[in-house]
Amino acid sequence: GQQLNQSPQSMFIQEGEDVSMNCTSSSIFNTWLWYKQDPGEGPVLLIALYKAGELTSNGRLTAQFGITRKDSFLNISASIPSDVGIYFCAGQLGKGRDDKIIFGKGTRLHILP
Amino acid sequence: ETGVTQTPRHLVMGMTNKKSLKCEQHLGHNAMYWYKQSAKKPLELMFVYNFKEQTENNSVPSRFSPECPNSSHLFLHLHTLQPEDSALYLCASSQVGQGLNYGYTFGSGTRLTVV
Repeated sequence: GQQLNQSPQSMFIQEGEDVSMNCTSSSIFNTWLWYKQDPGEGPVLLIALYKAGELTSNGRLTAQFGITRKDSFLNISASIPSDVGIYFCAGQLGKGRDDKIIFGKGTRLHILP
Repeated sequence: ETGVTQTPRHLVMGMTNKKSLKCEQHLGHNAMYWYKQSAKKPLELMFVYNFKEQTENNSVPSRFSPECPNSSHLFLHLHTLQPEDSALYLCASSQVGQGLNYGYTFGSGTRLTVV
């Protein structure tokens, strides 16, 4: 089946550093989504991308829909302690009624004191 | 209440117990999902309901039984579970059938511990 390869699996950074993570696939996606999951909570949608090449920001977060439609990246600038959590990429292959969203395995972000 | 609400937030049950997880969405969505999230594992899709019809069962053991009485409510009935079933169970909803997919809205989950 279709898979999303998300990397890195985990990151340890200093507060104030920039963060970059990405997702790749052998399949072409029509929609890319980035979620964040805080400890003990469900994932929350951060950014949605709908067109190849699209670059979208949400505060300190920026995500891009890759030109080939097979990848996406998420950048976080000037990280702060509340950025800690698990970041998931997700993609939808089609736009039809039954087209499910496929999730990556997540990038766990740790911020060192 | 707004968004997707799951109850209970925490549940401890014995292997011979029967319990149910409840999910309610207040977003007017027409699809609902159950996911299982174990420690250090990816999100595992369990069941999908579109317009109250179950459209997917991802080889989930029969000790998990979903029920979707209407488009706003989703239940997961549990019986004779195993310790390895301990996990965070997430409910999600979405609006399908339109041109753009705005993704899933997740509840906060039920942390299940089987003893």
